[in-house]
Order: sequence, then structure tokens, then C-alpha cells
Amino acid sequence: QVQLQESGPGLVKPSETLSLTCTVSGGSISTYYWSWIRQPPGKGLEWIGFIYHSGFTNYNPSLKSRVTISVDTSKSQFSLKLSSVTPADTALYYCARTPRSGSYIDFWGQGTLVTVSS
Amino acid sequence: SSELTQDPAVSVALGQTVRITCQGDSLRYYYASWCQQKPGQAPVLVIYDKNNRPSGIPDRFSGSSSGNTASLTITGAQAEDEADYYCNSRDNSGNHLVFGGGTKLTVL
Repeated sequence: QVQLQESGPGLVKPSETLSLTCTVSGGSISTYYWSWIRQPPGKGLEWIGFIYHSGFTNYNPSLKSRVTISVDTSKSQFSLKLSSVTPADTALYYCARTPRSGSYIDFWGQGTLVTVSS
Repeated sequence: SSELTQDPAVSVALGQTVRITCQGDSLRYYYASWCQQKPGQAPVLVIYDKNNRPSGIPDRFSGSSSGNTASLTITGAQAEDEADYYCNSRDNSGNHLVFGGGTKLTVL
């Protein structure tokens, strides 16, 4: 059973860059898309973007100017960087897996809360 | 704003059948999937590609689709089905994933 675990700072200052890493275990990082999804407190889910093991990426148009997702297949990890954060970026951030042929998320990490505050 | 629209809240009596809907133009071309989220927990996939259930999901959960509307049906709702339900699919461009705003299901 594949498992995903997010890691990174829980507090980021406004205007700085949020950085998170997701470690994948129990399965190969190849042949899947790997997503970042966030959920502000008390609100719904928002897809941030995904990366394929080859490095191909696609981002939510509303966040594209601030988002970079990268992958390190040797470590079975992929990472999120979100620049110029504001308090509106405070959310539970999930990493997740999407099968190559699908549009759905079949495995989720437990999520990590990131608060943007000075 | 989401390109997939869901009713914010739905209720169902214990043991009865409930349908949760998701509307969006992209659903004419791409399959919808559904995930369940209970308080304090990560979402869990319950239906994918219109009407497929992952292993371990009870068969009271089913999916369907017609035109621009996808539906999740729970036949014989149980107390443990009380949760938020999100549909997801691709957007109109086909290049991005998108979620509906979510439906809070209350089991009475």
C-alpha cells in the first residue's frame, strides 16, 4: 500500500516562500502523477498542481505564477514551492497520487497545516 | 471559483437513499470521481471514473453521470457516511484537475 508523508515548516512569514516535501513509500514514483492539494480551514479542496516522474508539470492557472513543483525520483520525493505567500495561503496542504490515465486522487497524505503569519 | 458545482448541504434519514450531484461543462467529456472527508481526516476516494469503487468501499456507494451532471448515490445511508463529499474531474481545458465545492451530508 502506497503511503505519502508531507514535511516542512508549519509557519511561514508573509511574502516568503512556502516549501513542502512529500515522501512516497510502498510503491514506485514512476507512471503516476503526483499532486499538491490544499484546504483552507473550514473550506473546500483546491488542486495546486501535479508533476509526472519525468518532470512534466501542470499548475492551477490561479496559482501558476507562484508555484513550482519538482521531483527527485532517486529519493521518491516531490516538492512544492509557493512564493510570495499571504495569510490567504494558510491551509492544510496534502500531497496525493493520480493514476496516469485518470483524473482522480487514489491516495492522499495525511496533510500538513501551514500558517502564514508574521 | 470552482468549475464544478455541488449543493452545500444534503440530509438523509438513516437507511434511506441519497443522491449528491455535481454539475459542470467538463463532465460532458471527462469522468467524475468522488471522495469522502470526515472531520480531521484526509479525503478518501469512494468512486472513480464515474462508477468504479476502490477496494474496501461498501457497495452502497455508486456513481452515475448524464450530460453535465455526475451523481453519487448512497443506497441505505449509514451513520458513518456522515461526511463532506467532493466531486473531482478535469476542467474544460482538460489540462487541470478541479474539485467541486463539496457537499456536507448529514445522516438523521
